[in-house]
Amino acid sequence: GAGVSQSPSNKVTEKGKDVELRCDPISGHTALYWYRQSLGQGLEFLIYFQGNSAPDKSGLPSDRFSAERTGGSVSTLTIQRTQQEDSAVYLCASRSGTDLTQYFGPGTRLTVL
Amino acid sequence: GDSVTQMEGPVTLSEEAFLTINCTYTATGYPSLFWYVQYPGEGLQLLLKATKADDKGSNKGFEATYRKETTSFHLEKGSVQVSDSAVYFCALSDTGRRALTFGSGTRLQVQP
Repeated sequence: GAGVSQSPSNKVTEKGKDVELRCDPISGHTALYWYRQSLGQGLEFLIYFQGNSAPDKSGLPSDRFSAERTGGSVSTLTIQRTQQEDSAVYLCASRSGTDLTQYFGPGTRLTVL
Repeated sequence: GDSVTQMEGPVTLSEEAFLTINCTYTATGYPSLFWYVQYPGEGLQLLLKATKADDKGSNKGFEATYRKETTSFHLEKGSVQVSDSAVYFCALSDTGRRALTFGSGTRLQVQP
């Protein structure tokens, strides 16, 4: 079946602009995660959604970052007033309720000029 | 908090050499342990996992054993191939939200 998809694959933006990154998880997966992969910080957890529960936002680096998940499926990560340090690859992963394995999307490479 | 430490790379080996990539962890409770691999130009893929002490995960000739007494999960392969060239990440997931905490990654280069 289809894997996790993310769009866009690449995004170049100017400092101070807002960006939206989209994730389509594997159908039926109740858990969804966002991670960030950057040269300086490695791979770091950002936010976690489980079903209809309130998201765990403990990994978000600042209040410029937010995310939502509509209908328990598609998720959007929004970064407001982007800064150069936000440049990274943003990865989405999903997991079924009975499996520990997270399946990753191809990522969105964000470049802030 | 939870953390994962893995050996610095790059690791450069000749084809058919034996591979070990060390990984140790710090965590409360009983985490599950993973190795993920990122091939050039591709996304992260699960290589193997172990969910409790003394479990051995294996896949594609790679193996790792969950050692609680040494808090380690070292990755091994008896004979590497050029196609194994990639970046390998050790990771753990907590028992609650199951978010992954990753090591810094080890780049493996296998020469013919």
